[in-house]
Amino acid sequence: TQLLEQSPQFLSIQEGENLTVYCNSSSVFSSLQWYRQEPGEGPVLLVTVVTGGEVKKLKRLTFQFGDARKDSSLHITAAQPGDTGLYLCAFDNNDMRFGAGTRLTVKP
Amino acid sequence: DAGITQSPRHKVTETGTPVTLRCHQTENHRYMYWYRQDPGHGLRLIHYSYGVKDTDKGEVSDGYSVSRSKTEDFLLTLESATSSQTSVYFCAISQYNDNEQFFGPGTRLTVL
Repeated sequence: TQLLEQSPQFLSIQEGENLTVYCNSSSVFSSLQWYRQEPGEGPVLLVTVVTGGEVKKLKRLTFQFGDARKDSSLHITAAQPGDTGLYLCAFDNNDMRFGAGTRLTVKP
Repeated sequence: DAGITQSPRHKVTETGTPVTLRCHQTENHRYMYWYRQDPGHGLRLIHYSYGVKDTDKGEVSDGYSVSRSKTEDFLLTLESATSSQTSVYFCAISQYNDNEQFFGPGTRLTVL
């Protein structure tokens, strides 16, 4: 059973479109991390959110942590082919637990 | 980029054979981790280390053992490989246990 549910599992969009991916759980997190993984490489940390309701922006990426600290979302504005990859959320549950990820493809 | 290397990068082996994967870091980070990544499951923690000779089990530790005799090296051993252990294995390091993890490039292991 996944402690973290990510949706959608797959997403294919055209360049320039906006998108949102989600990370949900029944557990409350002290913090949550978002990683991006490109094919053939290891994941790379994008952001850590800590406070309920927190919003963090990283260029065209906006990360939000739910008020109850049970969920998070990642919104990408005007997606580009370089955004293609696997987006993973993760939290520390005495050991790090990852969701299964959303595989995003942005077509030129 | 954090200095993490994994060897080998690819390996094909037969069921029942022993396999050892190596993770080497040049960052002097205290924590080191071994994960496996499979479709539909994401990354799952196998074992981790919080110091030289200090290790603990993760979520999917059965069939795996680890050793850390030096700060810079963390070895993952499959004593008798099975086809269910076909996967991509990632090593990661971090300065603190709840801090950002830096991942290696991965090892693709196929057990026939």
